Amino acid sequence: DAKTTQPPSMDCAEGRAANLPCNHSTISGNEYVYWYRQIHSQGPQYIIHGLKNNETNEMASLIITEDRKSSTLILPHATLRDTAVYYCIVRVRGSQGNLIFGKGTKLSVKP
Amino acid sequence: EAGVTQFPSHSVIEKGQTVTLRCDPISGHDNLYWYRRVMGKEIKFLLHFVKESKQDESGMPNNRFLAERTGGTYSTLKVQPAELEDSGVYFCASSQGSYQVWPWAYEQYFGPGTRLTVT
Repeated sequence: DAKTTQPPSMDCAEGRAANLPCNHSTISGNEYVYWYRQIHSQGPQYIIHGLKNNETNEMASLIITEDRKSSTLILPHATLRDTAVYYCIVRVRGSQGNLIFGKGTKLSVKP
Repeated sequence: EAGVTQFPSHSVIEKGQTVTLRCDPISGHDNLYWYRRVMGKEIKFLLHFVKESKQDESGMPNNRFLAERTGGTYSTLKVQPAELEDSGVYFCASSQGSYQVWPWAYEQYFGPGTRLTVT
């Protein structure tokens, strides 16, 4: 699976959009971009995934650049409960293997 | 639909003792995974079951760790004897089986974890 790079930490004001970037310059054509987060003292939580088109669900939006070398997870109206470590993970389509967690981005939503 | 459950939520044992952690995956999920996070480190993979078979156990740290998944339902992870460095949070996750849902992108659903403290 391709390697990803994320900033170690970010701050966001409550109610504002949180934009979390991820670089995956070595991504292959059959690899998806997944996002998970871990809220303190809980298990990691799946957020969203995408291949090349932008995706949106009830939790977030995922914007993938045209060359697929980077992506941005957008939390449109961040709340204090969104404070967590966010992980960007690249996986081959159809892979049922393990997830490889890096250090992620620690997002702090402040009132 | 019930999520992944883990038992116990916390366990405190002395060095040299045995502990067994249990994971109940989401019903119908063939894939079951164990991960752990030790203090200050990243979440690391331990092993992967497909139904009752071990698909990948490359992350198991040593032979003090034994995982089972009898009947392809719940799984147990036994640590015997426990060492101080085994302290951490142990997560279980499950996902659907092979090629059940297009586009075959399988998200894993995690349990809340078991916090193990070895003193």
